Amino acid sequence: GNSVTQMEGPVTLSEEAFLTINCTYTATGYPSLFWYVQYPGEGLQLLLKATKADDKGSNKGFEATYRKETTSFHLEKGSVQVSDSAVYFCALNKGNAGNMLTFGGGTRLMVKP
Amino acid sequence: KAGVTQTPRYLIKTRGQQVTLSCSPISGHRSVSWYQQTPGQGLQFLFEYFSETQRNKGNFPGRFSGRQFSNSRSEMNVSTLELGDSALYLCASSLGQDVSEAFFGQGTRLTVV
Repeated sequence: GNSVTQMEGPVTLSEEAFLTINCTYTATGYPSLFWYVQYPGEGLQLLLKATKADDKGSNKGFEATYRKETTSFHLEKGSVQVSDSAVYFCALNKGNAGNMLTFGGGTRLMVKP
Repeated sequence: KAGVTQTPRYLIKTRGQQVTLSCSPISGHRSVSWYQQTPGQGLQFLFEYFSETQRNKGNFPGRFSGRQFSNSRSEMNVSTLELGDSALYLCASSLGQDVSEAFFGQGTRLTVV
């Protein structure tokens, strides 16, 4: 079946540090890949997405590149802010008729001033 | 436009009871998906409805059921509640095409005592 594995947290960084959150997936075919962010007490917000190999998704300074050869979709940001503190989820959608997301376990990011 | 609305935000129920949760999707969206979020199991897909028909189903017991109305609003029902059903239940709405962006509500926090 489909699965997503992401690095366990928490990840604690100082403001302006470089962020990488690793995500790898297992799926047949060509799934679409997503990063979602969850702030305390809220639902999930789509951060970025990529729908085919070598696509780069980007938003709010965050980037991730769909690497089919390594089945990875690592999230990066060059300079984190305190406001980026949240839980980040990597997810995939197989796309075979429907919107069914398979999520990774989530990575909590804590950014200190 | 209005986002995804889930009601109620919080619920406390007793073991053995049943509960109904409601989700109003974004206007024009025809797909509604439900997810269960727990600290131990993370985010797990329950089911998806599209145009009043269940299109996908996750691996949950039959106590978990749902439906979708002609106006795309959806309800999910959990019967014979167990302590392990305590979770944040998230609803996501999408336009309906395959791999369309999912917009999440803030969730309903269900506590079973």
